[in-house]
Amino acid sequence: DAKTTQPPSMDCAEGRAANLPCNHSTISGNEYVYWYRQIHSQGPQYIIHGLKNNETNEMASLIITEDRKSSTLILPHATLRDTAVYYCIVRAPSGGGADGLTFGKGTHLIIQP
Amino acid sequence: DGGITQSPKYLFRKEGQNVTLSCEQNLNHDAMYWYRQDPGQGLRLIYYSQIVNDFQKGDIAEGYSVSREKKESFPLTVTSAQKNPTAFYLCASSIEGRPNTEAFFGQGTRLTVV
Repeated sequence: DAKTTQPPSMDCAEGRAANLPCNHSTISGNEYVYWYRQIHSQGPQYIIHGLKNNETNEMASLIITEDRKSSTLILPHATLRDTAVYYCIVRAPSGGGADGLTFGKGTHLIIQP
Repeated sequence: DGGITQSPKYLFRKEGQNVTLSCEQNLNHDAMYWYRQDPGQGLRLIYYSQIVNDFQKGDIAEGYSVSREKKESFPLTVTSAQKNPTAFYLCASSIEGRPNTEAFFGQGTRLTVV
């Protein structure tokens, strides 16, 4: 089972900030939070990741709560091309042999013109 | 350019035939993964490999087989034992032992069994 919970869908107006929430209440201290997105019929694309500090790159910002039990992905100025399914995952340290990357169903973000 | 390549993009097979999907990466990644995606669903892990000549079953391994004879290659065979093989198949790779690095995905193979 996926270790994260996300709303199944969200709408956002073009040009506004899109805020996508994710709950990961069972996250371990050494697990990272990763965000990917998948445009229809393509492979998932990496967006951003973090451990406990907030992170920002050219695509998005990631806000992680102090207790690390939830996070929010922020797309600051959403465009129509940001319409996609967004996956929040927690990545276990490798070497334990337990799993690869475990994906849930994600959030289908629809940017409205 | 470095990357991960899946081929072919579309594949059609008759029911009862085995079919092998190709996945190649030149990123020097140790770990490779195979996922299956059905319409409107998330990705489900079929098999993964953390090192050459070793692989582990994921959540839905029944009816599938893999090999990892080379670091660069992780082919997936969909056997006739797989009851519902029509799906979108995704391959990924990552650096093993370093969770602070992202995984890279191929563009997928859409398999249709008729």
